[in-house]
Amino acid sequence: NAGVTQTPKFQVLKTGQSMTLQCAQDMNHNSMYWYRQDPGMGLRLIYYSASEGTTDKGEVPNGYNVSRLNKREFSLRLESAAPSQTSVYFCASSKGSSYNEQFFGPGTRLTVL
Amino acid sequence: AQKITQTQPGMFVQEKEAVTLDCTYDTSDQSYGLFWYKQPSSGEMIFLIYQGSYDEQNATEGRYSLNFQKARKSANLVISASQLVDSAMYFCAMRDHSGTYKYIFGTGTRLKVLA
Repeated sequence: NAGVTQTPKFQVLKTGQSMTLQCAQDMNHNSMYWYRQDPGMGLRLIYYSASEGTTDKGEVPNGYNVSRLNKREFSLRLESAAPSQTSVYFCASSKGSSYNEQFFGPGTRLTVL
Repeated sequence: AQKITQTQPGMFVQEKEAVTLDCTYDTSDQSYGLFWYKQPSSGEMIFLIYQGSYDEQNATEGRYSLNFQKARKSANLVISASQLVDSAMYFCAMRDHSGTYKYIFGTGTRLKVLA
């Protein structure tokens, strides 16, 4: 039982390059989330998917797109990376009820030069 | 709008002593859930404890307890008998029951346990 997996673990991009962060969960969870973590700012929600087939913007969606490929997978795409997107990105999932905790992936450390 | 406030950027505690990490929240909803997570230096996020707004008893999980004061809108984490492995970043989070599916996080408190 792997829980939530993310690839890659580390990535360095040049300004303007694109990339997709992959996330998958094997817990049959309905809801999935993408966060970014910057020093002193906690976790900020980028996008989330309440259930398969739906996606919604979070607090900081600009510069990102997402795809809920199926119930297991939720990807985050940076179309044209900017230095301001240098951050640690976490994917999370939950069963969907408001009393359910989130399970987090190990994170992706992204640097944009 | 919902908001979580953690006013202690950093704290120190002596090994084997208890420590309280503060968390206050703001919401207009009557029904909501409160969560605490631990993030060690290795970076992963670990769920610690949950408290529902209608729970009459304070939640406990081993050495962790949540001091829930609904009228004051506070949900402080208490760690008893601190251990060196408790040194980490701690985040308070909230989710309401309105169906938005969003979790709101505080900025965190970095705890250092001293030997």
